[in-house]
Amino acid sequence: NAGVMQNPRHLVRRRGQEARLRCSPMKGHSHVYWYRQLPEEGLKFMVYLQKENIIDESGMPKERFSAEFPKEGPSILRIQQVVRGDSAAYFCASSFHTESTEAFFGQGTRLTVV
Amino acid sequence: TQLLEQSPQFLSIQEGENLTVYCNSSSVFSSLQWYRQEPGEGPVLLVTVVTGGEVKKLKRLTFQFGDARKDSSLHITAAQPGDTGLYLCAGADSNYQLIWGAGTKLIIKP
Repeated sequence: NAGVMQNPRHLVRRRGQEARLRCSPMKGHSHVYWYRQLPEEGLKFMVYLQKENIIDESGMPKERFSAEFPKEGPSILRIQQVVRGDSAAYFCASSFHTESTEAFFGQGTRLTVV
Repeated sequence: TQLLEQSPQFLSIQEGENLTVYCNSSSVFSSLQWYRQEPGEGPVLLVTVVTGGEVKKLKRLTFQFGDARKDSSLHITAAQPGDTGLYLCAGADSNYQLIWGAGTKLIIKP
């Protein structure tokens, strides 16, 4: 049973470009969480999704950021018109169902904006 | 707003010493989890504690959930260089969403 898969592992974008980060949850998991982590810091919650629904996006900036988790395919975190301050590690985690709060993490995507 | 405060934020000790990391809140959690993260990797779940007063042991690591389910501690006995990493606690609120501590960066020197 494969774990949570994130790709790409590393992503370099110029200011103003778009970044698309992908996350395939563990098999059977229908809940996905996206987190952002700056160097030497803890995790900052961004968004919580179930299949085809955004449950909580309170941690995600209102502009330039969007997330989806379609019925088929991976969850996508999209950052439009990236700026240097978007440089960070973005982690995805999945869980089996709402009451199962044990989250399993991917290895992250390290976004560098140049 | 629920907060989960971890202390200390940073700890550097010699191999063989004991240490305790704390995770405190004024809120009650339905469960609390501890994760460890190594550089360049995602967090890995170490343990989940659910019952107030619960104690779980994982080799040299001992996890305790406070009686009121508001706080937790992680105690490491005879620390080894392989224990080096970022330790994160996360509490599940009434909506089963995770509230995260800021992490404790632990360095064990040989």
